[in-house]
Amino acid sequence: DQQVKQNSPSLSVQEGRISILNCDYTNSMFDYFLWYKKYPAEGPTFLISISSIKDKNEDGRFTVFLNKSAKHLSLHIVPSQPGDSAVYFCAAMDTGTASKLTFGTGTRLQVTL
Amino acid sequence: DAGVIQSPRHEVTEMGQEVTLRCKPISGHDYLFWYRQTMMRGLELLIYFNNNVPIDDSGMPEDRFSAKMPNASFSTLKIQPSEPRDSAVYFCASSYRRQPQHFGDGTRLSIL
Repeated sequence: DQQVKQNSPSLSVQEGRISILNCDYTNSMFDYFLWYKKYPAEGPTFLISISSIKDKNEDGRFTVFLNKSAKHLSLHIVPSQPGDSAVYFCAAMDTGTASKLTFGTGTRLQVTL
Repeated sequence: DAGVIQSPRHEVTEMGQEVTLRCKPISGHDYLFWYRQTMMRGLELLIYFNNNVPIDDSGMPEDRFSAKMPNASFSTLKIQPSEPRDSAVYFCASSYRRQPQHFGDGTRLSIL
């Protein structure tokens, strides 16, 4: 049972435009959400996170939005740059399981010139 | 500032052989995680430790898989005997309390 879903396996965006990556979850016990970025032959690296008590968190070009009623979060990248081309994973943490993360299957973002 | 260190980076071995993957977490981190990434199943958690004690091994696929953490600076994931379907990229990650996990660069394992 996939508790964290990223329904778009890939996304292509032009440089300078906005990239929007989406993530849905089913477990209402999730209270902390993270986005990781992964380049080929490297491990995932932490990008940005949001607590369930907030609906928005911003860090430079990256903003994460959380809609708890819809159990949906999204990552906005503005403006998109070629170096943003990577696989993006959404992850969620359960209040009762300390530091354990449940990951989505990832979305491959390609930023074209 | 050293990150999570995994070794080897690549491992190619024949079916039936024992495979040992190694991980050195970030100093001061109290959680350590082992993941496996495959095309079919994505990034799946195998086992995790808190203060060197295994907390949840429900993701370990079979008895052929075992993991240990003898001290705060070292962990191993062992597969014995290995099978071709174990071929995947194995990641180790560590974290401090509920802070974001830091990942190593993985071990690409190929079982022939």
